Amino acid sequence: EAQVTQNPRYLITVTGKKLTVTCSQNMNHEYMSWYRQDPGLGLRQIYYSMNVEVTDKGDVPEGYKVSRKEKRNFPLILESPSPNQTSLYFCASSGGPSYEQYFGPGTRLTVT
Amino acid sequence: GENVEQHPSTLSVQEGDSAVIKCTYSDSASNYFPWYKQELGKRPQLIIDIRSNVGEKKDQRIAVTLNKTAKHFSLHITETQPEDSAVYFCAAIDNAGNMLTFGGGTRLMVKP
Repeated sequence: EAQVTQNPRYLITVTGKKLTVTCSQNMNHEYMSWYRQDPGLGLRQIYYSMNVEVTDKGDVPEGYKVSRKEKRNFPLILESPSPNQTSLYFCASSGGPSYEQYFGPGTRLTVT
Repeated sequence: GENVEQHPSTLSVQEGDSAVIKCTYSDSASNYFPWYKQELGKRPQLIIDIRSNVGEKKDQRIAVTLNKTAKHFSLHITETQPEDSAVYFCAAIDNAGNMLTFGGGTRLMVKP
């Protein structure tokens, strides 16, 4: 089954404790991206990757890191989480930015 | 970068009526405009998209229109049904063709 998976689905953590949210896709897509969703602000892109070892900043990259060592995986790293990073995070993959984005199930992160 | 504004933020209609959601974008070079539907607690899913070489596209009860001169595009849902209740997001691709910028979302409620 073609899918995008994210883990964990829910996470409550404390300020400053490093965390990683994993994202994996099995559709051989070149393009992957991370979004955060906040009420009234829609989906805002954090980082995107056009292919392996190629990543670039989206609209809200501050406080986040990513890596793309393999085509199928695109982890999101928060080195020192802060309460303003409390949000719902979605990973997505596609054949490119102007094609259908396949979203993962989402990760709800709470930073206290 | 691209800026996408979406109106209204909430829309309530009676079952069977039509619903229209409007979006404006800032980058005249944008050439791809998708619409995503997000049901409560679910991930966003593509429902229809349009590219800049056409002015209108239909898929059963859903249609999208694009006015490149005015830099706005709209989603039209006819004969609304309760299962159309969801949050709808418009998006536009940036002029480099690298990333999507989403509007703030419209919560559509269809009353039976």
